[in-house]
Amino acid sequence: DAGVIQSPRHEVTEMGQEVTLRCKPISGHDYLFWYRQTMMRGLELLIYFNNNVPIDDSGMPEDRFSAKMPNASFSTLKIQPSEPRDSAVYFCASSRGTGVTNQPQHFGDGTRLSIL
Amino acid sequence: AQSVTQLDSQVPVFEEAPVELRCNYSSSVSVYLFWYVQYPNQGLQLLLKYLSGSTLVKGINGFEAEFNKSQTSFHLRKPSVHISDTAEYFCAVTPLSGGYNKLIFGAGTRLAVHP
Repeated sequence: DAGVIQSPRHEVTEMGQEVTLRCKPISGHDYLFWYRQTMMRGLELLIYFNNNVPIDDSGMPEDRFSAKMPNASFSTLKIQPSEPRDSAVYFCASSRGTGVTNQPQHFGDGTRLSIL
Repeated sequence: AQSVTQLDSQVPVFEEAPVELRCNYSSSVSVYLFWYVQYPNQGLQLLLKYLSGSTLVKGINGFEAEFNKSQTSFHLRKPSVHISDTAEYFCAVTPLSGGYNKLIFGAGTRLAVHP
């Protein structure tokens, strides 16, 4: 079975540019999560969706960040304008049901973002 | 609110030696507990989870963890490590309550297995 697919795997761009990260969750999973991982702050949950609806976006750092899930098989995380401090590895994860008791979160391999 | 403390940021160990990665948590309510592993350039994979029942939980790749409620700990152990166990390990919790609750991760422990 295909896992969570993220693209691109690596992104290098200059500050001020718009960055779009993409995620395809596992088919049948109704929860989707976006995380950011940095050395300083570790793994942080940015936002999660249930049935394509954003449930908790309290982890989104500021208005420059936005996330959408137009359908059950696709989500984007957008940064506009990007800044060097946004450099990190961004992970997408998906799960079925509660995502806790019996259905763990499945992670993609991440997008390594570097803002120059 | 919940918090997770992984007491060691790095653990070096020789191949075939035993290892323990320590995790303590803080919570005013009961929690579910998890260990995830992250291999280089990959996402996180679930190693094991404690939901209820026996406090000794067995996971994949020969790992096990023991839940100690009185000490609010969930330490991860393996009796004999391999080079391939070199990775970063994350302890995580989520509270037992109605509805979905997000995972709270520790800062991670980097396990380095040397020949």
